[in-house]
Amino acid sequence: ETGVTQTPRHLVMGMTNKKSLKCEQHLGHNAMYWYKQSAKKPLELMFVYNFKEQTENNSVPSRFSPECPNSSHLFLHLHTLQPEDSALYLCASSQAGGAYGYTFGSGTRLTVV
Amino acid sequence: DQQVKQNSPSLSVQEGRISILNCDYTNSMFDYFLWYKKYPAEGPTFLISISSIKDKNEDGRFTVFLNKSAKHLSLHIVPSQPGDSAVYFCAASVGGGADGLTFGKGTHLIIQP
Repeated sequence: ETGVTQTPRHLVMGMTNKKSLKCEQHLGHNAMYWYKQSAKKPLELMFVYNFKEQTENNSVPSRFSPECPNSSHLFLHLHTLQPEDSALYLCASSQAGGAYGYTFGSGTRLTVV
Repeated sequence: DQQVKQNSPSLSVQEGRISILNCDYTNSMFDYFLWYKKYPAEGPTFLISISSIKDKNEDGRFTVFLNKSAKHLSLHIVPSQPGDSAVYFCAASVGGGADGLTFGKGTHLIIQP
């Protein structure tokens, strides 16, 4: 257990479904991040939240919609995804938005059918 | 264009010997570098980091070397143990990492008995 919890661990969804990924951290961090890891590609930064405010959107398609209701929780809402969106989605958190103490969750393995 | 490159997708090392994992970067603004280790079905876990004001950082069996002029860093593991078999990711950040980390594709380290 790293202090960053992601649910669900696995998700299979159809292209017309709507689902949400959840991330929760109990480390007292105030920055949270979504990353995507596709096969044979580097981890790609998707969204950054600092003090609950979105400060980075890395050209992510609108079918991915993040939500950060407080500094401990982060969601990624998914709708009308494509098969190429199948990947491991990782949440991370850090203190004061810095790289020190950057901690990842175990990820959600998403399969779009 | 990839700003952080790990050119060896895999590396096989005998148990007890030294493992050397390499990483190159192109962005001269990077000022903080990290190594993460990842087991299958788990998120990346922090291993060791180095600030650009240093050229070496050591933590037990792990040492990271930074050569700023060559824009190159390396992770040395000695002696290598079977539990070190994992994928190792190099990551870099600008200004402390508030805008997220930039990752390489990873190197799969295999420790042979």
